[in-house]
Amino acid sequence: GESVGLHLPTLSVQEGDNSIINCAYSNSASDYFIWYKQESGKGPQFIIDIRSNMDKRQGQRVTVLLNKTVKHLSLQIAATQPGDSAVYFCAERVSELSFGAGTTVTVRA
Amino acid sequence: DADVTQTPRNRITKTGKRIMLECSQTKGHDRMYWYRQDPGLGLRLIYYSFDVKDINKGEISDGYSVSRQAQAKFSLSLESAIPNQTALYFCATTGTGSYNDQFFGPGTRLTVL
Repeated sequence: GESVGLHLPTLSVQEGDNSIINCAYSNSASDYFIWYKQESGKGPQFIIDIRSNMDKRQGQRVTVLLNKTVKHLSLQIAATQPGDSAVYFCAERVSELSFGAGTTVTVRA
Repeated sequence: DADVTQTPRNRITKTGKRIMLECSQTKGHDRMYWYRQDPGLGLRLIYYSFDVKDINKGEISDGYSVSRQAQAKFSLSLESAIPNQTALYFCATTGTGSYNDQFFGPGTRLTVL
């Protein structure tokens, strides 16, 4: 089975609200994690990453949280905008990256 | 100009045909990858290359082959296409540092009839 997965395949969010996208991983040897955003008709784009020796990292409007105890990764998007509508993937790395199936985020106006 | 380009962007072919998908990058990266994406399954690694002389099989290499013609070019071939190879194919590159994300091309949508 997959070593990386997202808890929910879809997420609907009201514009302006905060979004939380979750990801579970199974390999405790993973040392690096990345969140990607994929818009329709495009390739995945890097959002934010985090190393296994950290538990939180912030970017512009995004925060990634890593809980190694329960092997859980989350992406928080503040003040969600229509342009945030996309599929979001988490990826973990042991030797090479392994990707989850993705969560489709839809922002309601 | 895009850092990672893929050609063609769309292709429809018939079972048994040989197909080549091409990828070029201008980032100067040594490492290049080919993935396929299917609905509900996420990205799966087909082949990857750490330099021109280094080719490695990924999770799902059966039915595919690759060629690393130069640092900037990495092509994926389907020797005899079959319908279950219908998918979205992505090329990606990454640097050689310890922590580097991957830069993806725009994808090639392949349909095998």
